[in-house]
Formats: sequence, structure tokens, C-alpha cells
Amino acid sequence: SYVLTQPPSLSVALGQTATITCGGDDIETKTVHWYQQKPGQAPVRVVYADGDRPSGMPERLSGSNSGDTATLTISRVEAGDEADYYCQVWDSRSDFVFGTGTKVTVL
Amino acid sequence: EMQLVESGGTLIQPGGSLTLSCAASGFNVSNTYMSWVRQAPGKGLEWVSVIYRGGATYYADSVKGRFTISRDNSKNTVSLQMNSLRAEDTALYYCARVMATSSYYFDLWGQGTVVTVSS
Repeated sequence: SYVLTQPPSLSVALGQTATITCGGDDIETKTVHWYQQKPGQAPVRVVYADGDRPSGMPERLSGSNSGDTATLTISRVEAGDEADYYCQVWDSRSDFVFGTGTKVTVL
Repeated sequence: EMQLVESGGTLIQPGGSLTLSCAASGFNVSNTYMSWVRQAPGKGLEWVSVIYRGGATYYADSVKGRFTISRDNSKNTVSLQMNSLRAEDTALYYCARVMATSSYYFDLWGQGTVVTVSS
């Protein structure tokens, strides 16, 4: 089955840039989507199709996908960005696959 | 407003059966793909099952043969029948709508319903 690996945690200072990686074998051949989940809440899509943003999502959040790594970048980090982040792809053999998740802490 | 509301979660003994329901509003489940995703306590997201527009169904290996997803177009609901429940099925179960474009992703989520499998 297809596996997506994310760093378990990431700490970033207020106003700085958070870079969350999602590693998968030849992931650039797949389309990557990202979700944000705050404590006690359902996940929310923040980036889809590698780098598109849903309506209303700030431009501070951006995505890219190359080689074996997809990346979610959060610029000018705010306190409200503190959450768990998950990448996700669809694979013809594994169907829907989520990454292991990254907990982002804002210092 | 489009919304998903799950129900049916409870405490149940190992080996038991349970059916979760997801009521949709603001759109028709018959016109889209619908899925269940679960999250064990303190753990990450795990895809469980999907029902495609045409009725085809698919399951994660961890639940294959035990869980069944179905759809009731007249009630605009999606259900998950869970049999032979195990302790490792304990989780918050989310109903989610699948957007199918060049890829598949989840664009609408419910708030979830809790299933606890324990004696």
C-alpha cells in the first residue's frame, strides 16, 4: 500500500514560515491535498490539487509537489495556525491515503 | 447550507454490530461520492470506506469483510454497517463528501460520532 510520511511535530515562531513535508514514493505523479485539524474539530481542507486554495483560505498557505516530497508552506504564521496538518492522496491501489500528520506549535 | 450530521456512535462490546448514519443536507448524496474516515483517540486520520456515484463501494483492508457502506437516496443518508467489531475500531467516525476532479479529496466533513468497542 502507498505510504505518506510526515514529521510528527514542528515548532515555529510567530510571524515566521512553517514548512510541512509529506513524503511518498514518486509523489509528484499524484495529486496532493492538505487538511488542517484543530483540537475537537473536524478536518478542514486548506490546499487541494497540490497548490490550489479553497475560497476564503488565506494566501499565506501554499502547496507544492516535486519528486518524492509534497510541501505545505504557511507564511507569516499566526497563533490560529496551531493545529494538526494532514496530507492526502488518492492511489489506484490504496484508494484514499492520509499522511501520518504533523502537529504545528506556534511559539 | 451544506451539512453532514453523523449519528449512531455508542459503547459496544467486542464482536458486536453497529450502524452509523450520516444525514446530508444542502446537496444530494446520490449525485456525489461519500466516504467514512475515522480517527482513533490521539491518532491520525484513517480512510475507511467510499461509495461512488454509481454505487460501487471500496474499503480499507482493516475493515474489508466486516463493514458495509450504503446509501439511501430517498432519505439522503449514507450508512456504515459495522460487524465483528474489535477494540481497534474504537474511533471518532467522520462522514465526508468526496470531490472528484482530477483527483479525489474530501471537501465537506461532519462533526463525527464516537464508537467505543470495549467490554
